[in-house]
Amino acid sequence: DVKVTQSSRYLVKRTGEKVFLECVQDMDHENMFWYRQDPGLGLRLIYFSYDVKMKEKGDIPEGYSVSREKKERFSLILESASTNQTSMYLCASSNLLYGYTFGSGTRLTVV
Amino acid sequence: QQQVKQSPQSLIVQKGGISIINCAYENTAFDYFPWYQQFPGKGPALLIAIRPDVSEKKEGRFTISFNKSAKQFSLHIMDSQPGDSATYFCAAREEGQKLVFGQGTRLTINP
Repeated sequence: DVKVTQSSRYLVKRTGEKVFLECVQDMDHENMFWYRQDPGLGLRLIYFSYDVKMKEKGDIPEGYSVSREKKERFSLILESASTNQTSMYLCASSNLLYGYTFGSGTRLTVV
Repeated sequence: QQQVKQSPQSLIVQKGGISIINCAYENTAFDYFPWYQQFPGKGPALLIAIRPDVSEKKEGRFTISFNKSAKQFSLHIMDSQPGDSATYFCAAREEGQKLVFGQGTRLTINP
């Protein structure tokens, strides 16, 4: 069974902390994505990557960065967490044949 | 800017009824239109998808209707069941593999 695994289901962090959200896929997919999900706003793309060491900004990259050192792992970094980054974060991977597979999400609360 | 607009935000349907969720888009370069289903505590999962050269696609009780000239597409769930209660997202694919999502519809099927 193919999988996208996000390291934490729930996370509580303090304002100003550096936060790492990890995502690992076992499908050998080229493409990986980070979205945030907020009620009434749907899923909004933060960053994506089409290859190792490659990254592209999505629609809402401000306050975030990413790292992709290995094909299977795509990390989202909140450099200095703020309360407006409290959200559900979803990682996905894809290829042309099978489309997107999402992880179960990380619900992040910044206090 | 919201490139894919989804309505309604929430929907309540009686068991056995037809659930209809609508989406509209602006970008004529979109080339693939999937629908995702999300249950609480889970990531979105692909439900059904359509390409713009097809006007309708049916899989079991789920049908996508696509109107290219109006730039609209909709999901119909026939004989709706309590197990269909979930959040539904329409999406559209732009360059590469990026998906743009609608705002989501929370569907409740009353027994």
